[in-house]
Amino acid sequence: NAGVTQTPKFQVLKTGQSMTLQCAQDMNHNSMYWYRQDPGMGLRLIYYSASEGTTDKGEVPNGYNVSRLNKREFSLRLESAAPSQTSVYFCASSEGRGEKKLFFGSGTQLSVL
Amino acid sequence: AQSVTQPDIHITVSEGASLELRCNYSYGATPYLFWYVQSPGQGLQLLLKYFSGDTLVQGIKGFEAEFKRSQSSFNLRKPSVHWSDAAEYFCAVGAIGGNEKLTFGTGTRLTIIP
Repeated sequence: NAGVTQTPKFQVLKTGQSMTLQCAQDMNHNSMYWYRQDPGMGLRLIYYSASEGTTDKGEVPNGYNVSRLNKREFSLRLESAAPSQTSVYFCASSEGRGEKKLFFGSGTQLSVL
Repeated sequence: AQSVTQPDIHITVSEGASLELRCNYSYGATPYLFWYVQSPGQGLQLLLKYFSGDTLVQGIKGFEAEFKRSQSSFNLRKPSVHWSDAAEYFCAVGAIGGNEKLTFGTGTRLTIIP
């Protein structure tokens, strides 16, 4: 049982480059999330998708776009990477039935030079 | 808006000693409360959660937490820590009903010394 799978695990970008972080879950969950983790700031929500076909902004959405490709997959795109986007990115999923139990992937460490 | 404060950035405890990690929340009503643990290089794993009912909740790995409404607190405890408990611990709050977004605290890093 893979749970939540994120790719890639590590990435180095130059300022202005673009890239997409991929996330897939095999638990038939309705809701999916993208968080970023920065030292001293905990986890902050970037975007979330309550159900297939819907997406909403979280606390720090600027500079990011998302796509809920289907029920399994939720991607995060950086169109023009900036050094301020250097962070560890976590994807998570939940059933979406009110229990709010999130399952997390192992993270993507992104450095923007 | 909901918020979470974890006042301790880093705590060091001897193996076998007891542990208490502090968490204070701000929310207009009784919230859903969670503790997650993150081992190095890993994602977050749910330790325990409080929705309603008994204010002392038991979780995995021998952890427990107590919800105190009067103090807006949800402190995590363990009677005797093991070296494998070294990790970062996050408290989180969610609103009752509605979507399943969680607001996380800034985390407490736990170091275990022999």
